[in-house]
Amino acid sequence: AQSVSQHNHHVILSEAASLELGCNYSYGGTVNLFWYVQYPGQHLQLLLKYFSGDPLVKGIKGFEAEFIKSKFSFNLRKPSVQWSDTAEYFCAVNAYTGTASKLTFGTGTRLQVTL
Amino acid sequence: DTAVSQTPKYLVTQMGNDKSIKCEQNLGHDTMYWYKQDSKKFLKIMFSYNNKELIINETVPNRFSPKSPDKAHLNLHINSLELGDSAVYFCASSQERTDTQYFGPGTRLTVL
Repeated sequence: AQSVSQHNHHVILSEAASLELGCNYSYGGTVNLFWYVQYPGQHLQLLLKYFSGDPLVKGIKGFEAEFIKSKFSFNLRKPSVQWSDTAEYFCAVNAYTGTASKLTFGTGTRLQVTL
Repeated sequence: DTAVSQTPKYLVTQMGNDKSIKCEQNLGHDTMYWYKQDSKKFLKIMFSYNNKELIINETVPNRFSPKSPDKAHLNLHINSLELGDSAVYFCASSQERTDTQYFGPGTRLTVL
């Protein structure tokens, strides 16, 4: 069964600091990869996704992620965070074979950006 | 225009009651989902429907029963509510099963 690990549970950064959130998954087959963000009291919104092609994908609000197949990783980065980036970040993997597929979420990383 | 909507947004009820949460999507998607987010923010899929047909049914108590009257709606009915059912329930939809899923605003269920 597939699993997704987010090693950073709670990250505190000052504004303008650089961000990297780790995400590793365990599944040897074809995957689609996602990062979602959940602002306080709100629903999940898609930040970015990787299906195929260039392993470096750019998303909204200056976020990017790099898919490294050999490391089964899909880390999220942002060069300079803002206070408004304070939120919960979820990595998710959709592993599929044939018609069967399921989206599995990591446990989430709470990002707190201080002024 | 709301893409995925859920009602109600908040639901407070007593143990043992039966309640329903409704979900509607106006994206024209074929697949809909129910997720449960616990107090630690962990998200787990409960059910998935594709064109009104159940395709994923995770290990969920029989007290939870999804119903899809058409492909734009997926409702969740919960019988005999228990304290452990307290959580935020999210509905989502996607065009294909492997595509991006779009989430509703969530329903915060509190069982007293």
